[in-house]
Amino acid sequence: QSALTQTASVSGSPGQSITISCTGTNSDVGAYNYVSWYQQHSGKAPKLMIYDVNNRPSGVSNRFSGSKSGNTASLTISGLQAEDEADYYCTSYTSSGPYVFGTGTKVTVL
Amino acid sequence: QVQLQQWGAGLLKPSETLSLTCGVYGGSVSGYYWSWIRQPPGKGLEWIGEISPRGNTKYNPSLKSRVTISVDRSKDQFSLKLNSVTAADTAVYYCARHGEGYYFDKWVQGTLVTVSS
Repeated sequence: QSALTQTASVSGSPGQSITISCTGTNSDVGAYNYVSWYQQHSGKAPKLMIYDVNNRPSGVSNRFSGSKSGNTASLTISGLQAEDEADYYCTSYTSSGPYVFGTGTKVTVL
Repeated sequence: QVQLQQWGAGLLKPSETLSLTCGVYGGSVSGYYWSWIRQPPGKGLEWIGEISPRGNTKYNPSLKSRVTISVDRSKDQFSLKLNSVTAADTAVYYCARHGEGYYFDKWVQGTLVTVSS
């Protein structure tokens, strides 16, 4: 199974909105509404930010939102803050896996 | 509040078997799915495999021939064994709990396992 494709890096100024994309196939992202997103600060364990495409766990800021169209899922961070600087990974349930991660996106706050 | 703690050898020689255990504290290993996930230094995450509440397992096809995940309900622990390791298996290994669906809602801090002769 091949990793989901994410933009390598995205940057934005404080207060701006940014969107990270996660492209898969019709065997994973396109087939199931089971896309989740994880935030990973340097040297730390990943943290769940979004599950089932667009659901936020308790305690996660509503500045984070998720969506999906066809084989591409997206994570939007609005009102960008310095603490949002981290690596972000998507993952999807897949018919062959059952899980595949994205390649990761480094978010830089300018 | 459930806490996870993992332990195991951090330095292995090629061809040896990687063995890690994840303990579940403040809760029970029963009733949840549990996964192992790894991250080579400077690289992305890779799902290794999972074990169900009934003890059924699924593995990443690329690792399936070398991986065994098991559970000890009496100790609220689950374990990972990866045999015939090579330098390519050098990574931070995480154990994680599945939420009520196909996602991972609780992660351990992670253990760096280095394979070197």
